Amino acid sequence: SAVISQKPSRDICQRGTSLTIQCQVDSQVTMMFWYRQQPGQSLTLIATANQGSEATYESGFVIDKFPISRPNLTFSTLTVSNMSPEDSSIYLCSVRDTSGNTIYFGEGSWLTVV
Amino acid sequence: AQTVTQSQPEMSVQEAETVTLSCTYDTSENNYYLFWYKQPPSRQMILVIRQEAYKQQNATENRFSVNFQKAAKSFSLKISDSQLGDTAMYFCAFMKREYGNKLVFGAGTILRVKS
Repeated sequence: SAVISQKPSRDICQRGTSLTIQCQVDSQVTMMFWYRQQPGQSLTLIATANQGSEATYESGFVIDKFPISRPNLTFSTLTVSNMSPEDSSIYLCSVRDTSGNTIYFGEGSWLTVV
Repeated sequence: AQTVTQSQPEMSVQEAETVTLSCTYDTSENNYYLFWYKQPPSRQMILVIRQEAYKQQNATENRFSVNFQKAAKSFSLKISDSQLGDTAMYFCAFMKREYGNKLVFGAGTILRVKS
């Protein structure tokens, strides 16, 4: 299975600021995803991070609010822009393994916006 | 679109006993994967078990096993010999087999193992 590292693991952010979350995988993977988990809720897919092209966003999520970069096959970043308390969530990076039939998750980044 | 339903918001079980978590799903696909993920208080999402829809045999991983009923679109998780470390939120998830498709999650079931 892939080993996925996320930074930061936890942060407290001021309203109106932006924060970038990093996701590093120990092997090359084709598919990387970013999920959001609001308090007490299930996981919702934000976007698929595409290497060398713009991310594919799910309904309800826009690039201006959640810009994503994926410069290579092992690294991606998610920025949460102009944060409000409603953005307080756990953000999880995930990858689809090379066999294509399992998805693994990073440890998550727990953001609290005050 | 696919949907996943977990009808038990919370469950509890005594240590060493067996518990079953329910999951049903709706899809028109014939080839797909089903998963159970565990999320302990640390918030890490941990893969518990995976089932391929085209395999009739139920998947097992040590104390964890599934009862996969494709026609009924049911995918329950049985945890045997429950341990305190099994206390967590458990999510059932669906993924189409075609490459690149996303996970669709259920709402989750909180499992508490009591000593």
